[in-house]
Amino acid sequence: EPEVTQTPSHQVTQMGQEVILRCVPISNHLYFYWYRQILGQKVEFLVSFYNNEISEKSEIFDDQFSVERPDGSNFTLKIRSTKLEDSAMYFCATATDMNTEAFFGQGTRLTVV
Amino acid sequence: AQSVTQPDIHITVSEGASLELRCNYSYGATPYLFWYVQSPGQGLQLLLKYFSGDTLVQGIKGFEAEFKRSQSSFNLRKPSVHWSDAAEYFCAAYKAAGNKLTFGGGTRVLVKP
Repeated sequence: EPEVTQTPSHQVTQMGQEVILRCVPISNHLYFYWYRQILGQKVEFLVSFYNNEISEKSEIFDDQFSVERPDGSNFTLKIRSTKLEDSAMYFCATATDMNTEAFFGQGTRLTVV
Repeated sequence: AQSVTQPDIHITVSEGASLELRCNYSYGATPYLFWYVQSPGQGLQLLLKYFSGDTLVQGIKGFEAEFKRSQSSFNLRKPSVHWSDAAEYFCAAYKAAGNKLTFGGGTRVLVKP
């Protein structure tokens, strides 16, 4: 069964460092999303991406964050200068179109120290 | 504002007993509704979805959910739980043409032998 793959599964980084989280979508999916879940809190929408541009972003997705699909395969989330409060589980999700269910990856647990 | 509420943070159920998880939504119109399950260390797996039509929907792993417009609810049920059903369950919704999911806070299910 096709699945969304995220790497790494766990990343520890020092505050102020840049991190890149990677996602390999299901092959025929065109819509891509990042969500995050701070420990003990709700899963929150960060950003949606279609046709190589951001479709929508939340208030959380400030200038420290960026997304791209550099090689037509990986979909990445970059956090430019990590803060302690960026520690969370980050989920990538993909969908065939905007009115179908999204399929989620296993998540990347980011720990900022 | 659009919201999804899961009133129960934790539920403990005996193996073989029935399970019902509550979900209420607040949207201007009926959204698309989903239930996801997250097992320890795993990603979010889609259990079932409601877009339109029959208000009782069947999902994987023996789960079903009933959409009740009058109550703005989409409760998840399983007639007989198995130890492997111990996990966290998330109700989620989005309005048409968006796929930006709003999640409930989750319900953690513990299964007693």
